Amino acid sequence: QQQVKQSPQSLIVQKGGISIINCAYENTAFDYFPWYQQFPGKGPALLIAIRPDVSEKKEGRFTISFNKSAKQFSLHIMDSQPGDSATYFCAASMNDYKLSFGAGTTVTVRA
Amino acid sequence: NAGVTQTPKFRILKIGQSMTLQCTQDMNHNYMYWYRQDPGMGLKLIYYSVGAGITDKGEVPNGYNVSRSTTEDFPLRLELAAPSQTSVYFCASSVRDNSYNEQFFGPGTRLTVL
Repeated sequence: QQQVKQSPQSLIVQKGGISIINCAYENTAFDYFPWYQQFPGKGPALLIAIRPDVSEKKEGRFTISFNKSAKQFSLHIMDSQPGDSATYFCAASMNDYKLSFGAGTTVTVRA
Repeated sequence: NAGVTQTPKFRILKIGQSMTLQCTQDMNHNYMYWYRQDPGMGLKLIYYSVGAGITDKGEVPNGYNVSRSTTEDFPLRLELAAPSQTSVYFCASSVRDNSYNEQFFGPGTRLTVL
């Protein structure tokens, strides 16, 4: 049973466009929501993370939006670049270290 | 720092064989984890450890065993390999501090059981 549901499974965006990936969770005890980025043949790497006491966090072109009442959070990639082509995983945990991952979204940025 | 290293990179096993996936980290992290990644399924936690001598089961521990005799090493043992264990295995480590508990992942081991 997937504790974190992620959509879409894949998306294609033009260079300079916005990529949006959505995640939903059920467990209200979750208090840490990271996003990981994975390139082919590599292990995932932390991209950005948020705690539920804020509704938005921005780091460069990457923004997490968090809606606690809806139990949803999303990743926005602004001005998407070909180098952003990767698989993105949302995750959640209630104690910082045991992460439950979403199924992943493969993002392809067309030049 | 090499970070998290895993060996081997690839392995093909026959049904019923056993093997150990090696994981070493040189960051002095107290937390270590083993995940498996299957297409379209994300990463599933197999086992984790919060320090030397302490291990615990994750979501999908059946068919696997671990040990943690040192801070640096966290090997994953597969006994009686089955086709359902065909997957990519990732080891990760982290340290608990006041900021986000970032997990650092190794490059993975691609295992095929035939």
